[in-house]
Amino acid sequence: SAVISQKPSRDICQRGTSLTIQCQVDSQVTMMFWYRQQPGQSLTLIATANQGSEATYESGFVIDKFPISRPNLTFSTLTVSNMSPEDSSIYLCSVEMAGGSNEQFFGPGTRLTVL
Amino acid sequence: GQQVMQIPQYQHVQEGEDFTTYCNSSTTLSNIQWYKQRPGGHPVFLIQLVKSGEVKKQKRLTFQFGEAKKNSSLHITATQTTDVGTYFCAGPGTGGFKTIFGAGTRLFVKA
Repeated sequence: SAVISQKPSRDICQRGTSLTIQCQVDSQVTMMFWYRQQPGQSLTLIATANQGSEATYESGFVIDKFPISRPNLTFSTLTVSNMSPEDSSIYLCSVEMAGGSNEQFFGPGTRLTVL
Repeated sequence: GQQVMQIPQYQHVQEGEDFTTYCNSSTTLSNIQWYKQRPGGHPVFLIQLVKSGEVKKQKRLTFQFGEAKKNSSLHITATQTTDVGTYFCAGPGTGGFKTIFGAGTRLFVKA
């Protein structure tokens, strides 16, 4: 298993600003993902964070809006840029351990409110 | 594109009643996973099914994977208030390492 921490746990931001969310894992993992979850909704994958290379973005998400870094196997950041109220959501990072199982471990999430 | 559909969207039950949520994929899945998300919490992995027709049990929870590996179900016997939350099924996406989540079934249990 993996223990994942996220910072900040919540934030209230003004439109037009940017927020960087950090995800730290207690062990080296191969796969790290960033999801967005609107209240009462399912999880929408933003991107796969690739170590040492550019993230792989899903349809509807672009690097300019959601730049992602992954400098090593235990850490990643997601930046929500030039925020608008529509970006208000919960952002979750998750990891998948090596070994064949697709089981994902999720961080506690970052609740973002944009005014 | 690939879709994972889940029904019902919501279910209200009296404590002690049974509950079932159903998951259907538009494509054949190599495996299916189930997660539970408590209100205010994050998704927590429950189980993964891999084999066609597989049935697994965890105490009062019974998980099934269909013969065609395109559908699955989660059945809870004699629900308790601690079962409250949203149950998601999820399967591997095609052409990559990502996971596709169903819309989830939110379970409400009245004591």
